[in-house]
Amino acid sequence: KNQVEQSPQSLIILEGKNCTLQCNYTVSPFSNLRWYKQDTGRGPVSLTIMTFSENTKSNGRYTATLDADTKQSSLHITASQLSDSASYICVVSRRTNTNAGKSTFGDGTTLTVKP
Amino acid sequence: DAGVIQSPRHEVTEMGQEVTLRCKPISGHNSLFWYRQTMMRGLELLIYFNNNVPIDDSGMPEDRFSAKMPNASFSTLKIQPSEPRDSAVYFCASSLWAGGDNQPQHFGDGTRLSIL
Repeated sequence: KNQVEQSPQSLIILEGKNCTLQCNYTVSPFSNLRWYKQDTGRGPVSLTIMTFSENTKSNGRYTATLDADTKQSSLHITASQLSDSASYICVVSRRTNTNAGKSTFGDGTTLTVKP
Repeated sequence: DAGVIQSPRHEVTEMGQEVTLRCKPISGHNSLFWYRQTMMRGLELLIYFNNNVPIDDSGMPEDRFSAKMPNASFSTLKIQPSEPRDSAVYFCASSLWAGGDNQPQHFGDGTRLSIL
């Protein structure tokens, strides 16, 4: 079964600290992995997209890594800010013969950054 | 530059009524997605269009749900008749389609639907 598991479910850190969120998946065949940030009451915002050949991608203070062999991804946030408080969602797409990937969504990690 | 625009932002209606959600994608984007988000099930893809044509509607929960995209700048998601279990936040997203799904999707701020 195609699954995406995120950990931890929730995380509280102090402003300025770093943190790492995890995403493990069993989706196959793999097409791409995306990380989204969702603020309360808003739609998700794309942070990174990684295909099979990419093992790291950065977007400002956000760095995503991908190990396609172990089917694991992480999202590292550096020097956290209060505005980083949000839900972070990992989405893994499966390649299909129509070239239109089927996506499986993780349940998200809720990050709270405290002053 | 305007993002994806959804309307209404909030909708409260009684069970059995017809509900129509609207979406205007980003100009130039040729793929459009409808999602539903609940606490219990998280984000779920309902249907997506490519060049106004429905490609995959396997996520549509049942025949009460229908979606249309009459042109490149407008899409609707209709629920008829609505039921309390349809209460959720419905998101529309759009993206460029470049022969694969490795383009970022841009989401609207959603319609919060409550069926009483």
